[in-house]
Amino acid sequence: AQTVTQSQPEMSVQEAETVTLSCTYDTSENNYYLFWYKQPPSRQMILVIRQEAYKQQNATENRFSVNFQKAAKSFSLKISDSQLGDTAMYFCAFRRMYSGYALNFGKGTSLLVTP
Amino acid sequence: AAGVIQSPRHLIKEKRETATLKCYPIPRHDTVYWYQQGPGQDPQFLISFYEKMQSDKGSIPDRFSAQQFSDYHSELNMSSLELGDSALYFCASSCRPGLVFRDTQYFGPGTRLTVL
Repeated sequence: AQTVTQSQPEMSVQEAETVTLSCTYDTSENNYYLFWYKQPPSRQMILVIRQEAYKQQNATENRFSVNFQKAAKSFSLKISDSQLGDTAMYFCAFRRMYSGYALNFGKGTSLLVTP
Repeated sequence: AAGVIQSPRHLIKEKRETATLKCYPIPRHDTVYWYQQGPGQDPQFLISFYEKMQSDKGSIPDRFSAQQFSDYHSELNMSSLELGDSALYFCASSCRPGLVFRDTQYFGPGTRLTVL
């Protein structure tokens, strides 16, 4: 079974600053997908960014980027120019590529952006 | 853009009652996933359907059943409800699994079930 670990239960960052959320995972597979989802107080699950394991290039989406280290099984999320609306719970998730397509989530990191 | 629709958004039931949650996927999505998120927990996978067939099964209790219909909407049926079933139930949809760039799961707003 795949295990996803988010070692930072809570983090805080000031508006306009940069913050990095950590995620590590354990798998014996070579090809898979990794995701970051955001869950604001509304409890909606919103896709932030995705990464295919076979791609060496790190994914970016506007202010959000990842640092994917396949050998280290690490998948961190960097949020640049943090905004108050970024306040949310952030979940890292693993998905197998060829079977068992369910998302396997970490426990989440609660991010608070302060003025 | 159209999103995943879930109904009802809120549901209150008594112990031992039954509940039915509905999910309408994004148009042209043929795969549906159900997740359960307890208070302060991460979402846990329950069950999924592809083309109206069960494709994967997670930690779904035997008291729960689900199906996907010809129009691709799905229903999660929950019987003999227990206090521990109180949670947020998410439905997510995607295109056919295995297709690169097309199989990201998009979540609905969730149904908040409270069992008294």
